[in-house]
Amino acid sequence: AAGVIQSPRHLIKEKRETATLKCYPIPRHDTVYWYQQGPGQDPQFLISFYEKMQSDKGSIPDRFSAQQFSDYHSELNMSSLELGDSALYFCASSLMATSTEQFFGPGTRLTVL
Amino acid sequence: GQNIDQPTEMTATEGAIVQINCTYQTSGFNGLFWYQQHAGEAPTFLSYNVLDGLEEKGRFSSFLSRSKGYSYLLLKELQMKDSASYLCAGPTSGTYKYIFGTGTRLKVLA
Repeated sequence: AAGVIQSPRHLIKEKRETATLKCYPIPRHDTVYWYQQGPGQDPQFLISFYEKMQSDKGSIPDRFSAQQFSDYHSELNMSSLELGDSALYFCASSLMATSTEQFFGPGTRLTVL
Repeated sequence: GQNIDQPTEMTATEGAIVQINCTYQTSGFNGLFWYQQHAGEAPTFLSYNVLDGLEEKGRFSSFLSRSKGYSYLLLKELQMKDSASYLCAGPTSGTYKYIFGTGTRLKVLA
């Protein structure tokens, strides 16, 4: 069965650079969630989209933005990167109408040097 | 508030039974999920309780008491591969974003 796809899997950036993380949800899933997980910490909700509209916003810095496109894939754009942005970034998808279960992608490991 | 608390670490022996507790203080959760996460990997679904009571699934069972804000995950016949972090997560009403607990790191010893 198809799973959530994230790219890239690993990304190394310098401070003050920008990064774009991509997420391709499970086919027919209408909701995408982004989470940030620092070392030894639990995942923290950043932002979510339902049917291409932002549905909720969590602890996402103003330097970050995200959107969901017409094909339901989502991109997380991160600018003016800081050392503290180094983390695993997970995307999850769900089909809102039938289940609250979220299916997580493999994550993108971002390292900011 | 929406706090979810779990013990930070637990240790158990191969073949034993372990219970991981999760308490939460919120009025906005729509049930409770349990996920397993190996280091550096994505969380994988274990169970979901939306009603009070016990849900059993092979070696894993999960219990929920909504009135007490309490859940537990029971792992039986522990195997070395069960060494991982176990996260309880509450999907919030409305948008269903997860609020995660602090996670419990389980070490299974031979």
